[in-house]
Amino acid sequence: AQSVTQLGSHVSVSEGALVLLRCNYSSSVPPYLFWYVQYPNQGLQLLLKYTSAATLVKGINGFEAEFKKSETSFHLTKPSAHMSDAAEYFCAVSDLGSASKIIFGSGTRLSIRP
Amino acid sequence: DGGITQSPKYLFRKEGQNVTLSCEQNLNHDAMYWYRQDPGQGLRLIYYSQIVNDFQKGDIAEGYSVSREKKESFPLTVTSAQKNPTAFYLCASSPTGYSGNTIYFGEGSWLTVV
Repeated sequence: AQSVTQLGSHVSVSEGALVLLRCNYSSSVPPYLFWYVQYPNQGLQLLLKYTSAATLVKGINGFEAEFKKSETSFHLTKPSAHMSDAAEYFCAVSDLGSASKIIFGSGTRLSIRP
Repeated sequence: DGGITQSPKYLFRKEGQNVTLSCEQNLNHDAMYWYRQDPGQGLRLIYYSQIVNDFQKGDIAEGYSVSREKKESFPLTVTSAQKNPTAFYLCASSPTGYSGNTIYFGEGSWLTVV
């Protein structure tokens, strides 16, 4: 069965530091991969999406993620953290077939220290 | 502006009551979804609909019901059979029901049992 693992339920970085949020997936075929961000009491907003066009995917707000098939990973990075990046981040994976089969990770809460 | 509107934002339910959460989208999307989010957990799929007048159970459908009489509307009823309904509920939609489609989310509704 398809699964996605986000390592670290809480990550804290200083403002201006590198942000690295980890996501590993299990899939027997190249999947579709997503990163979403959720601010408190709000819905999820798409940050970026991998659909096999390019392994390095650039998203909104300066975030990017690299698809590494050999490592089954899709880690999210941002070179310099900003206070406004504090939020919950979800990695999601979807195999070929129905979009209803998308699987979300349990989320990583990102805190930014002044 | 195009988007997904959920109402109410906050709802309180007494024991034994049924309540209905509204979800309307003006994105002209074929597929719609309901997810449940509990603190510290990822999203779990309750029901989804890929086309008008058709819907399918997700992973945690027990105690919930839906209808899809119009393309733009997908209301969720939380019945008294749902023993632990206190949660954050997210409605979502995608252009089609095929994988790889971006899923767009509403702002969510908080349901609390009192």
